[in-house]
Amino acid sequence: AQKVTQAQTEISVVEKEDVTLDCVYETRDTTYYLFWYKQPPSGELVFLIRRNSFDEQNEISGRYSWNFQKSTSSFNFTITASQVVDSAVYFCALSYMNYGGATNKLIFGTGTLLAVQP
Amino acid sequence: DGGITQSPKYLFRKEGQNVTLSCEQNLNHDAMYWYRQDPGQGLRLIYYSQIVNDFQKGDIAEGYSVSREKKESFPLTVTSAQKNPTAFYLCASSFDRGNYNEQFFGPGTRLTVL
Repeated sequence: AQKVTQAQTEISVVEKEDVTLDCVYETRDTTYYLFWYKQPPSGELVFLIRRNSFDEQNEISGRYSWNFQKSTSSFNFTITASQVVDSAVYFCALSYMNYGGATNKLIFGTGTLLAVQP
Repeated sequence: DGGITQSPKYLFRKEGQNVTLSCEQNLNHDAMYWYRQDPGQGLRLIYYSQIVNDFQKGDIAEGYSVSREKKESFPLTVTSAQKNPTAFYLCASSFDRGNYNEQFFGPGTRLTVL
């Protein structure tokens, strides 16, 4: 079965602190993709990153970085020097292929609400 | 600008009424999706469509119906058979079925049953 777990329901930090959002996934597939999305108060989900199961290199984009470890089935997201504008719900998601290769479906975690206090 | 539009932003429905949520995209995406979001439960897939005139049930399709007569449009009807329809509904689209492409989301419609 495919599953994504975000154990942290809510995190509160003070501006300029670093914060890591955890994501643990389950899948039997050898080929899959992992995603992070940001949902600000406006409600629209904003795509942040996509990572395939064969690429375990960490990625950095400005203040954002991602750590993918297949050995622990984790794809954690770190925000360095957090800002108030980072306040949002963050979703981790797993994409897998239905047998037959016809469907690109996303399984979402329950999200982590990040509150950055000024 | 390219993107996904959903209307209305807020929708109120009386019990027993059917309502239709609109979703339009001008990204030339093949696939379109409808999700439901409830507090603390993340997003759950209602229906998806990979090509015009074809769609498939997702994980929670009961009480919902869709159509895909045009590539750009994927309206969702919430029927009176849906027992607990109050939720936030998100439409998404993506390129090329089967290629793990990221899904892009619309701004959502918040449906409240009175």
